[in-house]
Amino acid sequence: GEDVEQSLFLSVREGDSSVINCTYTDSSSTYLYWYKQEPGAGLQLLTYIFSNMDMKQDQRLTVLLNKKDKHLSLRIADTQTGDSAIYFCAERIGGFKTIFGAGTRLFVKA
Amino acid sequence: EAQVTQNPRYLITVTGKKLTVTCSQNMNHEYMSWYRQDPGLGLRQIYYSMNVEVTDKGDVPEGYKVSRKEKRNFPLILESPSPNQTSLYFCASAPGGGTTDTQYFGPGTRLTVL
Repeated sequence: GEDVEQSLFLSVREGDSSVINCTYTDSSSTYLYWYKQEPGAGLQLLTYIFSNMDMKQDQRLTVLLNKKDKHLSLRIADTQTGDSAIYFCAERIGGFKTIFGAGTRLFVKA
Repeated sequence: EAQVTQNPRYLITVTGKKLTVTCSQNMNHEYMSWYRQDPGLGLRQIYYSMNVEVTDKGDVPEGYKVSRKEKRNFPLILESPSPNQTSLYFCASAPGGGTTDTQYFGPGTRLTVL
């Protein structure tokens, strides 16, 4: 079946890099996404990567995709307290079906 | 301002009392969707709509209805709410059929069914 898994918590110190990992099961996914959810707010798209790409960099964000292992990661360089949030991995399967992971809560310690 | 709005933001109701959560977008988006968010489960898609009068089931449609009579509105209807529908609900919209289309999320509706 279709499933997206993420670890539930990650704690880092301010200034360090954060790496949030995600695994997915459906090999037919076309796009993979990272969303950020701040307290009391909806989800905001951070970045996405097409399934035939290995890496995408956008300022402090680096997305790595290992299609063979169905593993996606999001690296946040120089993590700041404002990066504290829940990060969701999601995959688009055909049409408009989007499967979300349970979310990883990132704690940034000053 | 481009946005997705949901009403109400908070609702406490009782089992069996029909309710509607409204969703409206002002971006002329073709695609709209409803999700529920539960702890440890992430977001699960309830229903989505590719255009006016076109709706499809997501992963967890049981107990919900939707309608898309006009492009901007996509209400979620709970005919007979039950406690297991207590959740945080998000509406989202996207421009059209492309898989790169960013989904814009509403602020969420926290529903409690007693």
